[in-house]
Amino acid sequence: DVKVTQSSRYLVKRTGEKVFLECVQDMDHENMFWYRQDPGLGLRLIYFSYDVKMKEKGDIPEGYSVSREKKERFSLILESASTNQTSMYLCASSFPDGRGANQPQHFGDGTRLSIL
Amino acid sequence: AQKVTQAQTEISVVEKEDVTLDCVYETRDTTYYLFWYKQPPSGELVFLIRRNSFDEQNEISGRYSWNFQKSTSSFNFTITASQVVDSAVYFCALSDVTGGGNKLTFGTGTQLKVEL
Repeated sequence: DVKVTQSSRYLVKRTGEKVFLECVQDMDHENMFWYRQDPGLGLRLIYFSYDVKMKEKGDIPEGYSVSREKKERFSLILESASTNQTSMYLCASSFPDGRGANQPQHFGDGTRLSIL
Repeated sequence: AQKVTQAQTEISVVEKEDVTLDCVYETRDTTYYLFWYKQPPSGELVFLIRRNSFDEQNEISGRYSWNFQKSTSSFNFTITASQVVDSAVYFCALSDVTGGGNKLTFGTGTQLKVEL
């Protein structure tokens, strides 16, 4: 089974801190994604990556950056955390389309981040 | 731009009732994929089904069935004889097949509560 592991289930940080959320997958997936989930808004894509050292902005990249130094690991960085970044963050991974028709994304358990 | 609408925010049913979750989508693509995910209280999104735009056959998997109607841009999900374990948030999603990456646009989700 595919395993996507997020480093923390719950995290509390202070305004202005630099925050790192880590995600590791064990299925050799090329694609990795970071979403945030807020009540009434569903999941919104922050950033995604097609391969090592490659990254693309999603729908809401402002205030975030990412790092993909190794294929299995995709980090989300909050450069200077603010209270409006309090949310549930979900990481996902998948094979690219070239490996078959639009492969489903596999998700981690999520990190519930609170910024005080 | 792509859009997915799940108009039902919350549905409550009594165990053994049938329930249908609605999903309406908008896209200009002629080739696209639709997905349903389940998010139980534990938080992890679980992939349920993927359907491509060229396959309008309905699908049944145990108590779950899906009705894809391209003419009305809908991809509805029915649970027959619901059980308490079906209680979860259900998300419908639409893929963006351009650029080789399977980016997903999610609906806002439907919270299903199944009571005894």
